[in-house]
Amino acid sequence: NAGVTQTPKFQVLKTGQSMTLQCAQDMNHNSMYWYRQDPGMGLRLIYYSASEGTTDKGEVPNGYNVSRLNKREFSLRLESAAPSQTSVYFCASSEALAGNTGELFFGEGSRLTVL
Amino acid sequence: GQQLNQSPQSMFIQEGEDVSMNCTSSSIFNTWLWYKQDPGEGPVLLIALYKAGELTSNGRLTAQFGITRKDSFLNISASIPSDVGIYFCAGTNNNAGNMLTFGGGTRLMVKP
Repeated sequence: NAGVTQTPKFQVLKTGQSMTLQCAQDMNHNSMYWYRQDPGMGLRLIYYSASEGTTDKGEVPNGYNVSRLNKREFSLRLESAAPSQTSVYFCASSEALAGNTGELFFGEGSRLTVL
Repeated sequence: GQQLNQSPQSMFIQEGEDVSMNCTSSSIFNTWLWYKQDPGEGPVLLIALYKAGELTSNGRLTAQFGITRKDSFLNISASIPSDVGIYFCAGTNNNAGNMLTFGGGTRLMVKP
């Protein structure tokens, strides 16, 4: 019953360092998403992948890149981390794009601190 | 970007109390959803609403899709300690390319 698995759970970076957050889902879902959660601001969409082979920008894509490696995996990369990217990052998946049913399945989150 | 205004931002509950929270927007939404996030976990869907005026229950939870399609509320009856967490409203509309837009969250805490 893994669902959506994301790694690492915690990471501390220095400004300018790069890192990749990994995400995998075992529900055979077509669509995958990366959100960031900041206090009082809810969840904001960074990038999403409607289906294998496609990726699109969300509300706050600047400073991030993504790769839909295959149907299971969707990674988020920070090329040059900035303190403003300190946040909790959530990967999510859904059978089809969220607009159909609205049900997303979330991972447990990755807490990133940029010093 | 899209704005969903959720209130209250936080509230304390005492076991047995009823709880209400709501979400409003200046835009019309096609779908309203309510998610709950337990500490250290990702959000989990509680209730989904697909039609204006729809009232749906899930155990002690009741949610309504506002007639104007610009608001929704969630009620929790007879709260219990495990109700603590962050509750998010979310919605989809054509303006956001059918992506989910989330409210800022309502944090429920237990009164000391």
